[in-house]
Amino acid sequence: KAGVTQTPRYLIKTRGQQVTLSCSPISGHRSVSWYQQTPGQGLQFLFEYFSETQRNKGNFPGRFSGRQFSNSRSEMNVSTLELGDSALYLCASSVPTVGGEVFGPGTRLTVL
Amino acid sequence: TQLLEQSPQFLSIQEGENLTVYCNSSSVFSSLQWYRQEPGEGPVLLVTVVTGGEVKKLKRLTFQFGDARKDSSLHITAAQPGDTGLYLCAGAGGGSNYKLTFGKGTLLTVNP
Repeated sequence: KAGVTQTPRYLIKTRGQQVTLSCSPISGHRSVSWYQQTPGQGLQFLFEYFSETQRNKGNFPGRFSGRQFSNSRSEMNVSTLELGDSALYLCASSVPTVGGEVFGPGTRLTVL
Repeated sequence: TQLLEQSPQFLSIQEGENLTVYCNSSSVFSSLQWYRQEPGEGPVLLVTVVTGGEVKKLKRLTFQFGDARKDSSLHITAAQPGDTGLYLCAGAGGGSNYKLTFGKGTLLTVNP
């Protein structure tokens, strides 16, 4: 069974640009969540999508957005990038009745 | 904002030693999960505990959920170099809209 895949794995952008990250969940998983991981703040929840609808949202500015497609694949977008957005962005999928997230390897975003 | 405090933040021990990692909060969680993360990879779920007072064992790892469902501990017996990694606790529910609230992690190094 294929795991959660994220593309790209590494990304370098400059301040003010925007970026789109992609996530393909495990087949059959309809819930997709996004997290930001930094050395200072650790892992922080961004948002969760289920059946193409945003179900939960963390405490991040509106520059962070996401969407989910009918095949459960998800994208997150960050507009007007800031230096502080440099982080590892992790996508996770899950089956709600089972509990526990299955994480992808992450996308390492560097903002210069 | 809910907080999960993990301690210690760093732990360096010799192979064969025992250790305990703690995860504490003032909030009550519906479940608590433990993950291990290795460099360049996403976190991997180790266990989910749901019932207050619950104890789960996974080979040399013992997980306990506090009676009040506010805290948890992870005990490793006879640590091995392969146990090296970042251990993260994460709480679900507890009145937050967050899918999961993570502690900042305990970075464990087991020296041969």
